[in-house]
Amino acid sequence: NAGVTQTPKFRILKIGQSMTLQCTQDMNHNYMYWYRQDPGMGLKLIYYSVGAGITDKGEVPNGYNVSRSTTEDFPLRLELAAPSQTSVYFCASTPAGEGTGELFFGEGSRLTVL
Amino acid sequence: QQQVKQSPQSLIVQKGGISIINCAYENTAFDYFPWYQQFPGKGPALLIAIRPDVSEKKEGRFTISFNKSAKQFSLHIMDSQPGDSATYFCAARITGTASKLTFGTGTRLQVTL
Repeated sequence: NAGVTQTPKFRILKIGQSMTLQCTQDMNHNYMYWYRQDPGMGLKLIYYSVGAGITDKGEVPNGYNVSRSTTEDFPLRLELAAPSQTSVYFCASTPAGEGTGELFFGEGSRLTVL
Repeated sequence: QQQVKQSPQSLIVQKGGISIINCAYENTAFDYFPWYQQFPGKGPALLIAIRPDVSEKKEGRFTISFNKSAKQFSLHIMDSQPGDSATYFCAARITGTASKLTFGTGTRLQVTL
């Protein structure tokens, strides 16, 4: 069982370039999330989705876009990369409902914008 | 407020010692408090969690202590081992908000021999 898979693991972008971070999960979870992790700042929620076709902004959505066309996939799009978007990005998922609330995280995508 | 404050930022403990990490929150609507453990190069993973109707929860060497009146909770790691060296995040959630978690800033724990 693969869980949450993120690609790429590492990427270097130039200022103004665009890219998409891919996230897929094979646990049939309805809820999915994108967090960014910066040193000393913890994890900040960028966007989340409660099901296919439904997305909403988190705490730090500026400069990012998401889509959710299937239950499995939740890509994160950076349209015009800026140095402030240098970070480690984590995708996570959990079943619908408030059960245990356990979030299952991918291994992260480290992005550097130069 | 949605903020969760975590301290210390880093912690060095000798093998066999007790590691203590503290968190505080302001929003009384939070009703679920998990701790996540993260090893270098990996994503965070749930370690232990507590709801505010209990004051303590223990799982093996890991214990959460919860003080509802003070709006504080802490993680205690008994008999700390080098394998416990990791970054620990406290978090909080409000039921009915799509399981969104608000995370603390993290504590980097190093357990020395």
